[in-house]
Amino acid sequence: NAGVTQTPKFQVLKTGQSMTLQCAQDMNHEYMSWYRQDPGMGLRLIHYSVGAGITDQGEVPNGYNVSRSTTEDFPLRLLSAAPSQTSVYFCASRFDRSNTGELFFGEGSRLTVL
Amino acid sequence: GNSVTQMEGPVTLSEEAFLTINCTYTATGYPSLFWYVQYPGEGLQLLLKATKADDKGSNKGFEATYRKETTSFHLEKGSVQVSDSAVYFCALSGMDSNYQLIWGAGTKLIIKP
Repeated sequence: NAGVTQTPKFQVLKTGQSMTLQCAQDMNHEYMSWYRQDPGMGLRLIHYSVGAGITDQGEVPNGYNVSRSTTEDFPLRLLSAAPSQTSVYFCASRFDRSNTGELFFGEGSRLTVL
Repeated sequence: GNSVTQMEGPVTLSEEAFLTINCTYTATGYPSLFWYVQYPGEGLQLLLKATKADDKGSNKGFEATYRKETTSFHLEKGSVQVSDSAVYFCALSGMDSNYQLIWGAGTKLIIKP
């Protein structure tokens, strides 16, 4: 009963380093997404995917890359980390792209960039 | 464009008090409306939703009614418990946002025994 699994849970990076946040879901969901959560700002969509091989930008895509080679996995890559990317990151998935479906969230990954 | 406005927190109540967290939205057409809850150290989870005007979503004693005339989706609970302490997010999804969720800033709720 795994649901949405994110790794790592915590990470500290130095400015300019790169890293990948992993996200996997075992519910055969078409739709997957990455959000960042910052105090007082709610959740902001970084990138999303409506199926394997299809990705699109959200509200705040700069500095991040994604790919969707399988239905299960949706990694988020930080190309050259900056202090402004210090945040809590959530991966979320949904059965399909409809606007009424429930989003299932991972437990989050807390990233600090020094 | 679409937007969601929630009352600022934190909201602090005593156990068994009545809860209202206000949420208003801006959108064209008929978006779907959601409340998500985030317990400490966890990801968000769906609390309730409503997909058309006058629908009432309910779950775990919480209720919210989709009011198109006032563009509101206020969250209510008759008697809160300490275990309800969490951050509550109002969100909408509609045609204008290409069916992506638009989120409010979140309201932190603290229930004291």
